[in-house]
Amino acid sequence: AQSVTQLGSHVSVSEGALVLLRCNYSSSVPPYLFWYVQYPNQGLQLLLKYTSAATLVKGINGFEAEFKKSETSFHLTKPSAHMSDAAEYFCAVSRNQAGTALIFGKGTTLSVSS
Amino acid sequence: SAVISQKPSRDICQRGTSLTIQCQVDSQVTMMFWYRQQPGQSLTLIATANQGSEATYESGFVIDKFPISRPNLTFSTLTVSNMSPEDSSIYLCSVRIGTALDTQYFGPGTRLTVL
Repeated sequence: AQSVTQLGSHVSVSEGALVLLRCNYSSSVPPYLFWYVQYPNQGLQLLLKYTSAATLVKGINGFEAEFKKSETSFHLTKPSAHMSDAAEYFCAVSRNQAGTALIFGKGTTLSVSS
Repeated sequence: SAVISQKPSRDICQRGTSLTIQCQVDSQVTMMFWYRQQPGQSLTLIATANQGSEATYESGFVIDKFPISRPNLTFSTLTVSNMSPEDSSIYLCSVRIGTALDTQYFGPGTRLTVL
């Protein structure tokens, strides 16, 4: 069965610092992986997705993630944090290759200080 | 992508009552899903809304508690029945468009508080 583990429920960085949000997955089939962001009192917005093409995936707002099969990881990074990046970030894996239901991690809250 | 709207955006309800949440999409979609996000928690899939047939429920969710309708390819409803304070959550509709590789897009959510 597919599952996702997000390491660190809360990450704090300074403005301009590197952002690293960790996600490890478990999947019995080649996975489709996603990162979503949720701003306060808003719905989920897709940041980026991996669907077996390039292992380094670039998303919106300067975020990117690298799929590492050997480490079963899909960590999200951004070189320089901005105050507007403060939000909840969710990693998700498709339950099967048909791309149906998503299995979400517990989320990581990113705080950015000036 | 798709534009997804949900009604109501929020509601406060009394214990024992029911609330129906609507999800409207601006284009025909292949699949629609309903998720629940309990306070401080991640998203949990409730069910897949099937057009013209009964919804497919996940373990722990039953039709009597969460009846779902999907009369066409752009609209679905989720009813939260006989509510209790434990049902206080954000309920989100999501859709998948096109092929298996496409992404799920989420609606803005309905914030439900049960007193």
